[in-house]
Amino acid sequence: DTGVSQNPRHKITKRGQNVTFRCDPISEHNRLYWYRQTLGQGPEFLTYFQNEAQLEKSRLLSDRFSAERPKGSFSTLEIQRTEQGDSAMYLCASSSRYEQYFGPGTRLTVT
Amino acid sequence: EDQVTQSPEALRLQEGESSSLNCSYTVSGLRGLFWYRQDPGKGPEFLFTLYSAGEEKEKERLKATLTKKESFLHITAPKPEDSATYLCAGEPGQGGSEKLVFGKGTKLTVNP
Repeated sequence: DTGVSQNPRHKITKRGQNVTFRCDPISEHNRLYWYRQTLGQGPEFLTYFQNEAQLEKSRLLSDRFSAERPKGSFSTLEIQRTEQGDSAMYLCASSSRYEQYFGPGTRLTVT
Repeated sequence: EDQVTQSPEALRLQEGESSSLNCSYTVSGLRGLFWYRQDPGKGPEFLFTLYSAGEEKEKERLKATLTKKESFLHITAPKPEDSATYLCAGEPGQGGSEKLVFGKGTKLTVNP
């Protein structure tokens, strides 16, 4: 399968803990995006990389959130000191320019 | 502020009953209008991109159209397997942003 992959698929954590998610994009895609989706809502943009450079960040991305894309390949999204409001589906997408192809997402539950 | 609004929020059809989903947008310098399908617990699946008013694209029972203010997703003779949430998104063309601005989606249920 050559689609976007995300790990883990599900994560349950206690409030205050740190969590890290990984995204592996489609191999020839140089652009990588992170979105967050809550129940009944459409995905909301968080951040965007072109190769290893982080070019755009949403105001939704508080200082507890950090994303990296070392060497322009896979990406990680870390949330520090998780809060219950962080519970959501975290989606990764990649593209070569226009169409963004999404992965299956990581569902985070903060208890 | 860029905004995408989808209607209706939910739509229930009988198998074979054609209908349309609406997506209205106020997105600065729209570069592209995207349609996705999302099944429960899964990531959005790309369907179409439309770039200019008057453009139409088709895939099986689905046809997407675009005007200067809205887009429609027409579903002809739907089947139960077409049941899903359909998401519309716009890409702003100003400021070099490549983010997508999504609507809340239309949840389609097709009964046999």
